[in-house]
Amino acid sequence: QVQLKESGPGLVQPSQTLSLTCTVSGFSLTSYNVHWVRQPPGKGLEWVGRMRYNGDASFNSPLKSRLSISRDTSKNQVFLKVNSLQTDDTGTYYCTRDNNYYWYFDFWGPGTTVTVSS
Amino acid sequence: DIVLTQSPATLSVTPGESVSLSCRASQGITTSIHWYQQKSNESPRLLIKYGSQSISGIPSRFSGSGSGTDFTLSINRVESEDFSVYYCQQSYSLPYTFGAGTKLELK
Repeated sequence: QVQLKESGPGLVQPSQTLSLTCTVSGFSLTSYNVHWVRQPPGKGLEWVGRMRYNGDASFNSPLKSRLSISRDTSKNQVFLKVNSLQTDDTGTYYCTRDNNYYWYFDFWGPGTTVTVSS
Repeated sequence: DIVLTQSPATLSVTPGESVSLSCRASQGITTSIHWYQQKSNESPRLLIKYGSQSISGIPSRFSGSGSGTDFTLSINRVESEDFSVYYCQQSYSLPYTFGAGTKLELK
């Protein structure tokens, strides 16, 4: 069955780099796009960026200069890196998927909580 | 970027009532709007796709309507398990954006 699962360090210091991994199963990264969505504590959802099925990445403009998204198709993993971390990067980070035939998020990971604090 | 404005921010209802949640887009987005339910400490769950299309496994009391800039999520006879936050999301253009959410709470 389709599954996505995020993993990451939990606590990161300001100005450092956050590295998150989304490990997927039940579908191919060469057929589906994987997106990152984040949610600050008690707030709404924010689209961060995506890795398309063909390997292209797109980012939300306010974050673009601090983001990178990559993948390893052999390991069924998509990676998110956010550098120059700030306290308002704190929140839950989700990975989710859509594809080029439908553009809604049908499956989500459980999320991983990231706290930016010294 | 396309801004989605959800209203009301909070809706207080008793079980059995029927409700409508609004999502307004800052520009026309055809029917490229999707609705999600998020319960406390859980991931969002897809409820309605492309404005009005149902999702397998989602109760039939949830329905969607609208096109262009104005969209509505309706819940017919709210049940206790429905008290949560509801988000709309547009996939008309990047960056994908979400509304700020409507919290459905018990009166």
